[in-house]
Amino acid sequence: EVQLVESGGGLVQPGRSLRLSCAGSGFTFDDYAMHWVRQAPGTGLEWVSGISWNSGGIAYADSVKGRFTISRDNAKNSLFLQMNSLRAEDTALYYCAKARGIGAANTGDTFDMWGQGTMVTVSS
Amino acid sequence: DIQMTQSPSSLSASVGDRVTITCRASQSINIYLNWYQQKPGKAPKLLIYAASSLQSGVPSRFSGSGSGTDFTLTIRSLQPEDFATYYCQQSYRTPWTFGQGTKVEIK
Repeated sequence: EVQLVESGGGLVQPGRSLRLSCAGSGFTFDDYAMHWVRQAPGTGLEWVSGISWNSGGIAYADSVKGRFTISRDNAKNSLFLQMNSLRAEDTALYYCAKARGIGAANTGDTFDMWGQGTMVTVSS
Repeated sequence: DIQMTQSPSSLSASVGDRVTITCRASQSINIYLNWYQQKPGKAPKLLIYAASSLQSGVPSRFSGSGSGTDFTLTIRSLQPEDFATYYCQQSYRTPWTFGQGTKVEIK
């Protein structure tokens, strides 16, 4: 069974940092690109960042560029999101999502499997 | 960025009804349009990719159509388990962007 399990969320003060993790199982992790998508409470979905199968390609939303860093460890079937300089508007449920393809920004790709999410709350 | 606009934002329907949700892109995205279903407290689930291709395991009452800027998700005969929020998403160019969602409620 394909499974994605996020962890690392929590309550953090504005300006501080947090590192999210996502553990993949049930599929060949290094055959696929991976992404982070977030959902603020009561609102819609916002793509945050994506990374290619071999970390050679990385893309970010403008709202997080320069503050967030995506990475992966294929030996450990794991995806990460280092979030620095957090703001109140970063408060959201963060989902890890598996792509159908290998690239971070391949035209035509989709998010075909999602984890259950980890909640990040930025507040003083 | 490519803006995605869904309509309606919400709708009420009965079991057995035919339901249509539309999604419009701010520029042509060819057929690179995906549809997701999200139930309360759950992660989104891929239904349709490349505008009209049904994801494995998704019931055939779901179908998608369109190209360019205008797309449609149709549920042929609404079932109790279909009451949820539906999102379109363009995969033509990053940043990948989603529509605001359409909530399908029980009439």
